[in-house]
Amino acid sequence: KQEVTQIPAALSVPEGENLVLNCSFTDSAIYNLQWFRQDPGKGLTSLLLIQSSQREQTSGRLNASLDKSSGRSTLYIAASQPGDSATYLCAVNWSSNTGKLIFGQGTTLQVKP
Amino acid sequence: NAGVTQTPKFQVLKTGQSMTLQCAQDMNHNSMYWYRQDPGMGLRLIYYSASEGTTDKGEVPNGYNVSRLNKREFSLRLESAAPSQTSVYFCASSENGVRYGYTFGSGTRLTVV
Repeated sequence: KQEVTQIPAALSVPEGENLVLNCSFTDSAIYNLQWFRQDPGKGLTSLLLIQSSQREQTSGRLNASLDKSSGRSTLYIAASQPGDSATYLCAVNWSSNTGKLIFGQGTTLQVKP
Repeated sequence: NAGVTQTPKFQVLKTGQSMTLQCAQDMNHNSMYWYRQDPGMGLRLIYYSASEGTTDKGEVPNGYNVSRLNKREFSLRLESAAPSQTSVYFCASSENGVRYGYTFGSGTRLTVV
């Protein structure tokens, strides 16, 4: 069964720290992988999209890496800020035709001032 | 720049009542999706429409029906609501193959009593 797992479920860090969020998936034959941010009571905002042929993507202080052979992706956040506090969701697309995403359960991040 | 619009934002139903959740996108995307989000379970796909005129079941379709009214609109119907359908419902859209990522609506919070 194709599954996505995110550990830890919650993370609390002081402002300014660099941090890594982890995502693992069971089947390496992915089409692409996305990281989303969700603020409380809000919808999902796409942060980074990595195609299966790519190893990483960067946007500002965010860097996402992909290692298909080990079934892992990481989201690196540099110099964390209180405004980064949110839930981060990893989602994998195993189907190029349908675009169906399988989501992890998310990591809730709190950055303390 | 509306993106994906969902209505209503909140709804309370009694067990056995029916209702339709509306979703519209203005990005000319071919594919549309309905997900539900429950605490501790991430997002799960209910139904999707890869293109206008087609719909397919996702991971948790029981108790739901969908209509792809045209390229812009994709509605989700609960024929006889049950307490187990209490959840937050998200509509999303994407280009075919999700090469360019998803756009999510802000969600409908549904409570069935």
